[in-house]
Amino acid sequence: GAVVSQHPSRVICKSGTSVKIECRSLDFQATTMFWYRQFPKQSLMLMATSNEGSKATYEQGVEKDKFLINHASLTLSTLTVTSAHPEDSSFYICSARVRGNEQFFGPGTRLTVL
Amino acid sequence: GENVEQHPSTLSVQEGDSAVIKCTYSDSASNYFPWYKQELGKGPQLIIDIRSNVGEKKDQRIAVTLNKTAKHFSLHITETQPEDSAVYFCAATRGNNAGNMLTFGGGTRLMVKP
Repeated sequence: GAVVSQHPSRVICKSGTSVKIECRSLDFQATTMFWYRQFPKQSLMLMATSNEGSKATYEQGVEKDKFLINHASLTLSTLTVTSAHPEDSSFYICSARVRGNEQFFGPGTRLTVL
Repeated sequence: GENVEQHPSTLSVQEGDSAVIKCTYSDSASNYFPWYKQELGKGPQLIIDIRSNVGEKKDQRIAVTLNKTAKHFSLHITETQPEDSAVYFCAATRGNNAGNMLTFGGGTRLMVKP
C-alpha cells in the first residue's frame, strides 16, 4: 500500500510555457500532500504544503503565482510551473501524508526548460 | 525551526561491511525520524523510521537508533550489498498535525564496492 504516482516522469518545454505535474495517491486518500524541488546532488527542499479543498501553504521564497498548486480531490494534487525559465529546471517530487507523520514519495518529475 | 545535519556526505564501504550514517537535530519537540533511500532519478523510498518513545528499531539488515538526550539518531546497515548503493536522507518532524513537515538532512551518498 501507500503508492504515490507522478505524471509525467520527464518533461521538456520551451522557456515561457507552462507545465503541469500531477501527483496521485493510488490506494489511499491524502488530505495533505507536499511538493519538493531537488537540484542535482542536493537535498529535498519543501516548496509547499497542499491541502485538499483549501489553498496551499508556500514556503518562504517560493512564488505562489509561479508555482500553482491545486488539490481538488483526496487523491490528486497538481503543480503548475507557469512561464517556466531555465532556472526552473529541476527534479520535482511530491509526497503524501499517510498516517501520523509518515510520508510516501512519488517517483519524481524531471523538468527541463530550454 | 528544525535543523537537521547529516554526516558523512559520502561513504564508501566494501561489500559485506557495515555502514553507519549519523544525524543530529535541533528541535527537542521532534518525535518522528524517518530514513529514506533515493536511487538515481527516482523518488525517496521510506526504509525505516523511529518514534521518540523507542530507542532502537531493527528491520533485517537495517537498524536505527535514537538518542533523545543528545538529539541524534543513526542508520546502521549491516552486510552491505552493491544494491544498497544510493543516497540516504534522514529527516525529523514534530507532532501529529497534518501540516507538520519533514526537515531533511543533506544526504549521504553510499557506495558499496563489490
